[in-house]
Amino acid sequence: SYVLTQPPSVSVAPGETARITCEGNNIVGKSVHWYQQKTGQAPVLVIYYDSDRPSGIPERFSGSNSGNTATLTISRVEAGDEADYSCQVWDNKGDPVVFGRGTTLTVL
Amino acid sequence: QVQLEQSGAAVEKPGASVKVSCKASGYTFTTLDINWVRQAPGQGLEWMGWMNPNSGNTGYAQKFQGRIAMTRNTSISTAYMELRSLTSEDTALYYCARAQRGSSWYYFDYWGQGTLATVSS
Repeated sequence: SYVLTQPPSVSVAPGETARITCEGNNIVGKSVHWYQQKTGQAPVLVIYYDSDRPSGIPERFSGSNSGNTATLTISRVEAGDEADYSCQVWDNKGDPVVFGRGTTLTVL
Repeated sequence: QVQLEQSGAAVEKPGASVKVSCKASGYTFTTLDINWVRQAPGQGLEWMGWMNPNSGNTGYAQKFQGRIAMTRNTSISTAYMELRSLTSEDTALYYCARAQRGSSWYYFDYWGQGTLATVSS
């Protein structure tokens, strides 16, 4: 089955740029989606189809996908961006929905 | 606005079953898949399966095959997930999520608030 690998944690200072990676074999061939989950809340879709933003998601959130790595980039990080971020893809072999284990973003 | 309203917390004994409901509103229930995703304490998101509310067709993660069932009642726009033969490892938050599907992509644009199921003797 397809495996997505994320770093357990990323820390950035307010106003800086956070980059959260999601690695998978030839992930560029898949559409990658990202979810934000704040403590005690349900996940929220922040990026779909590699780089599209749902309505209501700030432009500070962006995504890219190349080679074996997809990246969620959060510009001008704010304290309110502290959360767990998980990537997700659709795979046509094995279980069709695959999540990464999530990355905890800490704003210093 | 789209909402997915889940049933309340449940406490079950090992070996028992839990059934969680997910009532959809703000869109036509039968047009989009409902999926179930769980999250054990301190762990990541784990996909459990999908259901097409129109046809009732389902697909389950290999890990849960044989002890999970997803059903629906279209007259009240409600999806259900039942998990049987519970163990302590099934203690988790259970989420329903609405899916958007394409030819090679599938993602979740709306989520329920989550239902905590605790398995304890």
